Amino acid sequence: EVQLVQSGAEVKKPGESLKISCKGSGYRFTSYWIGWVRQMPGKGLEWMGIIYPGDSDTRYSPSFQGQVTFSADKSISTAYLQWSSLKASDTAMYYCARARIAVDGMDVWGQGTTVTVSS
Amino acid sequence: EIVMTQSPGTLSVSPGERVTLSCRASQSVSINLAWYQQKPGQAPRLLIYGASTRATGIPARFSGSGSGTEFTLTISSLQSEDFAVYYCQQCNNWPQTFGQGTKVEIK
Repeated sequence: EVQLVQSGAEVKKPGESLKISCKGSGYRFTSYWIGWVRQMPGKGLEWMGIIYPGDSDTRYSPSFQGQVTFSADKSISTAYLQWSSLKASDTAMYYCARARIAVDGMDVWGQGTTVTVSS
Repeated sequence: EIVMTQSPGTLSVSPGERVTLSCRASQSVSINLAWYQQKPGQAPRLLIYGASTRATGIPARFSGSGSGTEFTLTISSLQSEDFAVYYCQQCNNWPQTFGQGTKVEIK
């Protein structure tokens, strides 16, 4: 079964760092893009960016460039989204999802990771 | 950045009705347009890619059309499980962008 399994919910304080994960299984991890999508409470979907684990080619939305970092470890089929200094406004659900070809949309999604940032 | 605009914001529909959702791009995205369905508490699900190709396992009552800047998602006969929020996404240019969503609710 093809799936993406994300790490569990996080509660952090402003200024703290965080790295969440997305582990792929049931397919060739290095042959698919992994996209990251933010959904703030009660709001719509926001495309944050995308990484190709095969060669680490990475594209960020300008809205998120410099605010987050994507990475991937091919050896364990896992992609990561990290923050160096969280803000309260980072409170949201974060989804990873895969795309075989970037123009074809994202066909398999993780279950989401809830990040809560509060003092 | 390409802006995706969906209409209407909310659609009140009775089961069995035909539903048409619209998505407009601020510039041409060719046919590189995807539609997703999201139910409360769940991750989005890919319905349509390439503007008109149904994703694996998607019922035939869902269809997509359009190219360039104007796109449509049609549900031929709305089922109870179809009440959800629907998003379009342009996949043609970086950054990829989503529309703001259309909520399909029970009338």
